[in-house]
Amino acid sequence: QVQLVQSGAEVKKPGSSLKVSCKTFGDTFSSYGISWVRQAPGQGLEWMGGIIPIFGTTNYAQKFQGRVTITADESTRTAYMELSTLRSEDTAMYYCARDPQMVRGLRAFDIWGQGTMVTVSS
Amino acid sequence: EIVLTQSPATLSLSPGERATLSCRASQSVSRYLAWYQQKPGQAPRLLIYDASIRATGIPARFSGSGSGTDFTLTISSLEPEDFAVYYCQQRSNWPPLTFGGGTKVEIK
Repeated sequence: QVQLVQSGAEVKKPGSSLKVSCKTFGDTFSSYGISWVRQAPGQGLEWMGGIIPIFGTTNYAQKFQGRVTITADESTRTAYMELSTLRSEDTAMYYCARDPQMVRGLRAFDIWGQGTMVTVSS
Repeated sequence: EIVLTQSPATLSLSPGERATLSCRASQSVSRYLAWYQQKPGQAPRLLIYDASIRATGIPARFSGSGSGTDFTLTISSLEPEDFAVYYCQQRSNWPPLTFGGGTKVEIK
């Protein structure tokens, strides 16, 4: 069974940076895209960006351009999302999600990580 | 950026009733629309993709329809485990991928 397992909860100071990991178990990695989606407390879902590891290509939401970097390490089957210059509004649950479009033509996120709660507070 | 508007924001129904959720796009997304279910404290779960195709393991009581700008998620007969928040997402014109604001289906 395919699983995406994310790193644990974080508490960060304003102005600092965050790096969350997402490891794939139980299936191939490189040909599937990985996207990052966040959810502020009590709010909806917000796509931040994504990567296709086999190509290393990334796409970012304009809102996060310049502040977010998404990378992938094929050898460890792990994707990373780094967010810099954190502010209180970045307090949210951060999810990674698998995008199988290239492999199966499925245009949706079929597998999600368990989420990583990030709290930004002084 | 394509904006997705979901309605109603909240749907109050009883188990066994039919639920009809709407998602309207600010411009055509063809059939590249997905629906997700999210329960409290859980990650979203894919229900429907390409407007009408049920994801693996999703019960037949869930169905999707629509194309262009207007889409519907129907739950034919609500089970207790179906009370949750539902989001639509477009995959037509991106980046950015966008989500609707969600519809909460609550027990009446």
